[in-house]
Amino acid sequence: AQSVSQHNHHVILSEAASLELGCNYSYGGTVNLFWYVQYPGQHLQLLLKYFSGDPLVKGIKGFEAEFIKSKFSFNLRKPSVQWSDTAEYFCAVYGGATNKLIFGTGTLLAVQP
Amino acid sequence: DAMVIQNPRYQVTQFGKPVTLSCSQTLNHNVMYWYQQKSSQAPKLLFHYYDKDFNNEADTPDNFQSRRPNTSFCFLDIRSPGLGDAAMYLCATSSPRTGTYEQYFGPGTRLTVT
Repeated sequence: AQSVSQHNHHVILSEAASLELGCNYSYGGTVNLFWYVQYPGQHLQLLLKYFSGDPLVKGIKGFEAEFIKSKFSFNLRKPSVQWSDTAEYFCAVYGGATNKLIFGTGTLLAVQP
Repeated sequence: DAMVIQNPRYQVTQFGKPVTLSCSQTLNHNVMYWYQQKSSQAPKLLFHYYDKDFNNEADTPDNFQSRRPNTSFCFLDIRSPGLGDAAMYLCATSSPRTGTYEQYFGPGTRLTVT
């Protein structure tokens, strides 16, 4: 069965600090990988996605993620966070056979000004 | 702009009183999903429609039903809401047939049960 693990449940950073949020998945087939962000009081928005090709994908607002197939990982990074990045971040994997997204448990990021 | 719309944004119902939440989309996506999201938790898939085919998750209570009268609309019916059903309900769409695997989410309906 597919599953997604996010290791950091709650992260607190100061502005300008670098961010890396871990995501590991288990699925043996071809995967499509996503990071979604949910700002306080707002709906889920797609941050970035990986389908194929360059394993380093760039998303909105300066975020990027690297797909490492051998490690079953898709970690999210940002070199310098801002207060406005305070949000909950969800990693998700789509495995074609089920037509479903499997979400991780989410990481709550708080950026202190 | 193409989008996913949910109405109402906030719904208050009484314990045991049936309630219907609605979702519409202008994306012409063939798959529509309903999720339940409780505070600081990941969205939990309740069911989805692939075209007209209904797919229920094994752990979705019978209390939750859904209807999809056409491509654009999908409804979530909660027949007898309990206090534990208070949550944010999210509608999402995708179109794997056209290679759109990511899901587009609506703003959600926050359900309060009194």
